[in-house]
Amino acid sequence: DQQVKQNSPSLSVQEGRISILNCDYTNSMFDYFLWYKKYPAEGPTFLISISSIKDKNEDGRFTVFLNKSAKHLSLHIVPSQPGDSAVYFCAASGLDSNYQLIWGAGTKLIIKP
Amino acid sequence: GAGVSQSPSNKVTEKGKDVELRCDPISGHTALYWYRQSLGQGLEFLIYFQGNSAPDKSGLPSDRFSAERTGGSVSTLTIQRTQQEDSAVYLCASSSFSDNEQFFGPGTRLTVL
Repeated sequence: DQQVKQNSPSLSVQEGRISILNCDYTNSMFDYFLWYKKYPAEGPTFLISISSIKDKNEDGRFTVFLNKSAKHLSLHIVPSQPGDSAVYFCAASGLDSNYQLIWGAGTKLIIKP
Repeated sequence: GAGVSQSPSNKVTEKGKDVELRCDPISGHTALYWYRQSLGQGLEFLIYFQGNSAPDKSGLPSDRFSAERTGGSVSTLTIQRTQQEDSAVYLCASSSFSDNEQFFGPGTRLTVL
């Protein structure tokens, strides 16, 4: 049973427009959420995080929104740039095991020039 | 370098052989994690080391998998009698004690023929 789901395997966005990556989770014990970005042949790198006490966290072009009632979070990238083309992973951790990150399958973002 | 390093970057082996994968975490990081990523899947947690505590082996898929961490630094993941389903990218990550942010190595791509 996948506790963290990224239902879009890929997403294509025009350069300069907004990219919205979605993530759904099922475990109500999750209280910390992270987004990682991964380029081919490299390990994932941390991008942005949010704790369950907030519903929004912003860092430059990247904003993460958390809707606890819907168990849904999203990553907004605006404006999208060619260097944003990568695979984006959503991950969550919970009160019961806060060191173990549960990962989504990833969404491949392609930014078109 | 200051990042997490892994070796080898690629490993091709025959079914039934044993393999060892190495991870050098960031100096001073007390926590070390092993994950694997199979094609089209999210990151699957394998094992977690924290300081001198007993490792959390709950993610190891079978008794053919084992890992050790010598001197609280370098870690080796060993897969005995490899099977074709073991083919994946094996990722190592490290973090400081109280930080949820994990820093990943580039991974080892294992192919079992």
